[in-house]
Amino acid sequence: QVQLVQSGAEVKKPGASVKISCKTSGDIFTKNYVYWVRQAPGQGPEWLAIIDPLDVVSNVAQNFQGRLTVSRDTSTSTLFLELRGLRPHDTAVYYCARGYCSRESCYKFDQWGQGTLITVS
Amino acid sequence: EIVMTQSPLFLPVTPGEPASISCRSNQSLQHDIGYDYLDWFLQKPGQSPQLLIFLGSNRASGVPDRFSGSGSGTDFTLKISRVEAEDVGIYYCMQGLQPPFTFGPGTKVDIK
Repeated sequence: QVQLVQSGAEVKKPGASVKISCKTSGDIFTKNYVYWVRQAPGQGPEWLAIIDPLDVVSNVAQNFQGRLTVSRDTSTSTLFLELRGLRPHDTAVYYCARGYCSRESCYKFDQWGQGTLITVS
Repeated sequence: EIVMTQSPLFLPVTPGEPASISCRSNQSLQHDIGYDYLDWFLQKPGQSPQLLIFLGSNRASGVPDRFSGSGSGTDFTLKISRVEAEDVGIYYCMQGLQPPFTFGPGTKVDIK
C-alpha cells in the first residue's frame, strides 16, 4: 500500500518559497532514511537531500545549500522539504522516497511518494 | 561528484526478445564492505520511479524474475530476459555510494 503521501501541486511566483510535505507510515518515519529527488519536465531525476530517521544527520546537495531545508514533524510522521528563492528552472515534480543507508552510502529506495508538481511562473 | 553514463539512450525492443542496458560510473561504486551501491529504476509515463534492482544485483520485492542486474566496480548491466509490452518506459541507474547521489541520463525502452 502507499506509505508516502505528498502534498498537492502548487504554483509559485519567482522569489517565493515552497514547503512540500511527505506523510509517512510510523515505521518509515522511525526506521528509514528519506530522500528527496526532483525531476524537471523531460529530464532525469536529480537528488536533492536526505534525512535520517533520528533527525540527527541530513545532507543537502551542494547546489541547494542555503536555499533548501529538510525537516521532520514527529507528531504527524511527516517530512518536509522547503525550497526558497524559487526560480522558473525549479519547476519540477518533487518526490520523497524511503531507503536504507550504511553511513553515507544508501540503497534500495523502494517506496516513493506520488510526486508534487511545483510550477514557478 | 560521481558521473553516471548509460547506453544505449534509446532501445527499441521486440516482445519476447531479450534486452540489455549498460551503466557506467567514473569511479568504483564498491563500498568497503563489498557491496556495489548501484540501483536500477524504471519510470513509466506519469508515474514515480519504481525500484527494480538494488546493490547491483538484488531484485526488489515484486519485480518479475525476467529482470536481472549484474556487474561491479564501474560497469553494470540490466538485463530483461524476455521483454513484455509493460516493460516500456525509461530506465535509470543511480549510484548511492556517496552524496550527491547521481542518476544516469536514462534509457528509453519502447516497442518496435
